[in-house]
Amino acid sequence: GAGVSQTPSNKVTEKGKYVELRCDPISGHTALYWYRQSLGQGPEFLIYFQGTGAADDSGLPNDRFFAVRPEGSVSTLKIQRTERGDSAVYLCASSLQGGDTDTQYFGPGTRLTVL
Amino acid sequence: AQSVTQPDIHITVSEGASLELRCNYSYGATPYLFWYVQSPGQGLQLLLKYFSGDTLVQGIKGFEAEFKRSQSSFNLRKPSVHWSDAAEYFCAVGARSGRDDKIIFGKGTRLHILP
Repeated sequence: GAGVSQTPSNKVTEKGKYVELRCDPISGHTALYWYRQSLGQGPEFLIYFQGTGAADDSGLPNDRFFAVRPEGSVSTLKIQRTERGDSAVYLCASSLQGGDTDTQYFGPGTRLTVL
Repeated sequence: AQSVTQPDIHITVSEGASLELRCNYSYGATPYLFWYVQSPGQGLQLLLKYFSGDTLVQGIKGFEAEFKRSQSSFNLRKPSVHWSDAAEYFCAVGARSGRDDKIIFGKGTRLHILP
């Protein structure tokens, strides 16, 4: 595709519910990243995939958060038992090969609101 | 671990005036440095990046940034701003350690343009 796409653009859910956020990276990009951006803050790293595997998941805040990328393309970020503090914009980025010098291209984000 | 500080939360300049957004980083070695711009409803867009070489880096939309090792700074500049430059600007630092592909973002500086 032309760029990174994320669906849905907005998600409103109730506390305790389960949500899935989807990211479609740029075609051919092997590296995929998830970030969370709370109001008034910069993006905060969550997890990085190289291909199908999670190369670095050190940013996931707790075990309610999980992400998969089963075929090395689309990724899904899953949040169980959502809490009000999970409300944020979740950003996805992809890069061609990963690595320090590779430019990350960001999607428009999914705004998650937990009531 | 790397970190980045953007001291100014808001900056207001008149259209046509020059601009400088401050960024200070903390990292044990020479880092990778980035500036991103985020317009309302848009994804993060890379303005420029520094990896090595010339410490004055040219980016898109007429922006430039200068890496100053002695000051641990990577300030963003533009000689004459346009109303369309109103947005949030994020400085970010990446690590140069082998498998660490995390980018750490500052909290951002919101730029307001006066007509």
